[in-house]
Amino acid sequence: DTEVTQTPKHLVMGMTNKKSLKCEQHMGHRAMYWYKQKAKKPPELMFVYSYEKLSINESVPSRFSPECPNSSLLNLHLHALQPEDSALYLCASSQEKTGSYEQYFGPGTRLTVT
Amino acid sequence: GESVGLHLPTLSVQEGDNSIINCAYSNSASDYFIWYKQESGKGPQFIIDIRSNMDKRQGQRVTVLLNKTVKHLSLQIAATQPGDSAVYFCAESPTDKLIFGTGTRLQVFP
Repeated sequence: DTEVTQTPKHLVMGMTNKKSLKCEQHMGHRAMYWYKQKAKKPPELMFVYSYEKLSINESVPSRFSPECPNSSLLNLHLHALQPEDSALYLCASSQEKTGSYEQYFGPGTRLTVT
Repeated sequence: GESVGLHLPTLSVQEGDNSIINCAYSNSASDYFIWYKQESGKGPQFIIDIRSNMDKRQGQRVTVLLNKTVKHLSLQIAATQPGDSAVYFCAESPTDKLIFGTGTRLQVFP
């Protein structure tokens, strides 16, 4: 199984809402990632978890809150977002955190903030 | 031919021709490189990778070339097919994260 799954596929939320994005992998990977991708742009790294601990936070605003409940799951909690946060949010996983391992990406969650 | 769009450079090729997508990377300390393919509405899909101790690696219909002297990476796709139409991203890894290039849109016409 080389699949990373993400739910929901699409999400529309108001600026006062609280919602969560979910990501799951069953490849035994110990590193998991959140990326943000705007239209016609490359993915931008947000967070890296390694062995269920937050390893990298790319100066992401606190309205985005990641959580890694176990080695297979990664969540991204959203609160008080802005319209400019509308984007495709991608989850990825790799065998280890070091950069020389292929990252497997999920299909993404298309987020619209109204 | 190759043209620069508003945000993404675009490469247009005829079905059956070979495609070459180029990428300039920025960090001379990068020791691992990946090419990803991203179709509309989907996440990036791994195509091929190469480590800095190699200058060429071949997969099925794809070849990656690495020139460390000029910090250049290329992806060659043989006998391009309509299903190859997508945005292609190169990514480099100088440390423990991937840094993506700006991407190139490949359009395949009959």
